[in-house]
Amino acid sequence: AQSVTQLGSHVSVSEGALVLLRCNYSSSVPPYLFWYVQYPNQGLQLLLKYTSAATLVKGINGFEAEFKKSETSFHLTKPSAHMSDAAEYFCAVSDTGGFKTIFGAGTRLFVKA
Amino acid sequence: NAGVTQTPKFQVLKTGQSMTLQCAQDMNHNSMYWYRQDPGMGLRLIYYSASEGTTDKGEVPNGYNVSRLNKREFSLRLESAAPSQTSVYFCASSEGLGDSYEQYFGPGTRLTVT
Repeated sequence: AQSVTQLGSHVSVSEGALVLLRCNYSSSVPPYLFWYVQYPNQGLQLLLKYTSAATLVKGINGFEAEFKKSETSFHLTKPSAHMSDAAEYFCAVSDTGGFKTIFGAGTRLFVKA
Repeated sequence: NAGVTQTPKFQVLKTGQSMTLQCAQDMNHNSMYWYRQDPGMGLRLIYYSASEGTTDKGEVPNGYNVSRLNKREFSLRLESAAPSQTSVYFCASSEGLGDSYEQYFGPGTRLTVT
């Protein structure tokens, strides 16, 4: 069975600091992995996805994530936080069928001025 | 393109009442999904439709029914609402082909059952 664990329900960083949001997954087959972002009172938007083409995946708004099979991790990073990055971030894993996507509990990112 | 639209945006029901949440997408996607979002639990899949004419249960289907009306529309029905169904409901769609499994989400319906 697939599962996703996001370490830290809340992360706070200063503007300009590194953003690191952690995600570990379990899957019995090579997974599809995703990061989504949710701004207040909105639906989720795709930030980036891993589909086995490359282990380092670049997404929108300067975010990137690295797939590490040995660590079963897919951590999300951004070199320099901006106030507009404040939102909730969800890691998700999907099997090769793609229809049953499992979402993590989410990490709320706070950015301090 | 409007993307994925949902109606209504807000709804308050009394225990035992029924209602249908509507969802439509204009991206010609094959697959559609209904999720519920509760604090600290992420999104949980209620039902999905891999393609027009098919529906399958997700993680938390009890108390819900769905209808894939056509390729564009996918509705979620609560036959007898319960307070435990208070949640934010999201509809999503995806191409459902090849590597295109990323999902596109609607703005959500905030449902309160009293």
